[in-house]
Amino acid sequence: KQEVTQIPAALSVPEGENLVLNCSFTDSAIYNLQWFRQDPGKGLTSLLLIQSSQREQTSGRLNASLDKSSGRSTLYIAASQPGDSATYLCAVSNDYKLSFGAGTTVTVRA
Amino acid sequence: DAGVIQSPRHEVTEMGQEVTLRCKPISGHNSLFWYRQTMMRGLELLIYFNNNVPIDDSGMPEDRFSAKMPNASFSTLKIQPSEPRDSAVYFCASTIPGRGDTQYFGPGTRLTVL
Repeated sequence: KQEVTQIPAALSVPEGENLVLNCSFTDSAIYNLQWFRQDPGKGLTSLLLIQSSQREQTSGRLNASLDKSSGRSTLYIAASQPGDSATYLCAVSNDYKLSFGAGTTVTVRA
Repeated sequence: DAGVIQSPRHEVTEMGQEVTLRCKPISGHNSLFWYRQTMMRGLELLIYFNNNVPIDDSGMPEDRFSAKMPNASFSTLKIQPSEPRDSAVYFCASTIPGRGDTQYFGPGTRLTVL
């Protein structure tokens, strides 16, 4: 069974600091890895999707890397803003099935 | 496109009552997923449909839970009878079939069973 772990569980930073969120998974036979954002009381919004053959993906201030062999992914958010405050979830795909981590709750202080 | 639509957004019911949650996937998406999110267990896949056919229902917790997809634009998740431990946020998601495709999530239904 795929196990996904996210560290840290919570993070608080001052505005402008770069954020580094970590995700690890136990089964490296994945099809892709996705990072989602979840705001309180809302659904999940997909931020980045990295195919298993890729090493990284970038979108604006967000950059996600994938090291499939070691079972790790990192999400970098540059120059954090208060609007980045949310819970960030990592999910790995084995065929159609997504296995989610518990998330990292980020607070960016103004 | 309006995105994935779920109703109701909030449901409060008493133990023993039947609960029906509804989902309309994004038009053209013929893979649909129901998830449950709790503090203790995080996000769990309950059931997966492809072309309206249930492919994997191994995550459905017990016989009290059932799901249907009568057509490509509508799915229901039913709990009968409901119990307090069913209290959670239930999400529906859809995607274009094939590996490596982003799943698009609805806003969720927050269910409280008293």
